Amino acid sequence: AQSVTQLDSHVSVSEGTPVLLRCNYSSSYSPSLFWYVQHPNKGLQLLLKYTSAATLVKGINGFEAEFKKSETSFHLTKPSAHMSDAAEYFCVVSGLEGGYNKLIFGAGTRLAVHP
Amino acid sequence: EAGVTQFPSHSVIEKGQTVTLRCDPISGHDNLYWYRRVMGKEIKFLLHFVKESKQDESGMPNNRFLAERTGGTYSTLKVQPAELEDSGVYFCASRFLGGLNTEAFFGQGTRLTVV
Repeated sequence: AQSVTQLDSHVSVSEGTPVLLRCNYSSSYSPSLFWYVQHPNKGLQLLLKYTSAATLVKGINGFEAEFKKSETSFHLTKPSAHMSDAAEYFCVVSGLEGGYNKLIFGAGTRLAVHP
Repeated sequence: EAGVTQFPSHSVIEKGQTVTLRCDPISGHDNLYWYRRVMGKEIKFLLHFVKESKQDESGMPNNRFLAERTGGTYSTLKVQPAELEDSGVYFCASRFLGGLNTEAFFGQGTRLTVV
């Protein structure tokens, strides 16, 4: 069975400091991994995705994530946080489970950015 | 290109009533998913359509929930009769009929409150 664990439910940073949102996954197959962001009263928006082409993936708004198979991790980072980054972030694994193509969500990490 | 659209954005109903949620996917996306997020909990899979066929409905909580996708276009999710524990945000997503690495596009969700 596949699963996703987001290690922090809340992360708080100051504007201009680095962001690290942690995600570990479990999958029997070589997974595809995604990070989505949800701003208040908005839908889920794709930040970036890993599809085995490159282990370091760059996304929108300056975010990037590194796939580390040995650590089964796909942590999301950004060098310098902006106030507009305050939102909830979801790590998602896509893979086969029971013969079905499933998207499995992590519990989410709420990012707060302080001035 | 229009995104995934969900109607209504909010619904408040009394326990025992019926509510129907609608999702219009991106044109040409054969995959359509329903997810639900109960307050404070994770985003949970409900079911998956491929065109008009239910590919996987393992996440449907009970027989009070009925999903349809007539003609393989828009989908409806009916809750009858609604119970208090059905409150939450219902998300719809659509995805092109491709491999595991194709991204899913999400609607803004329908916030259902059962009182």
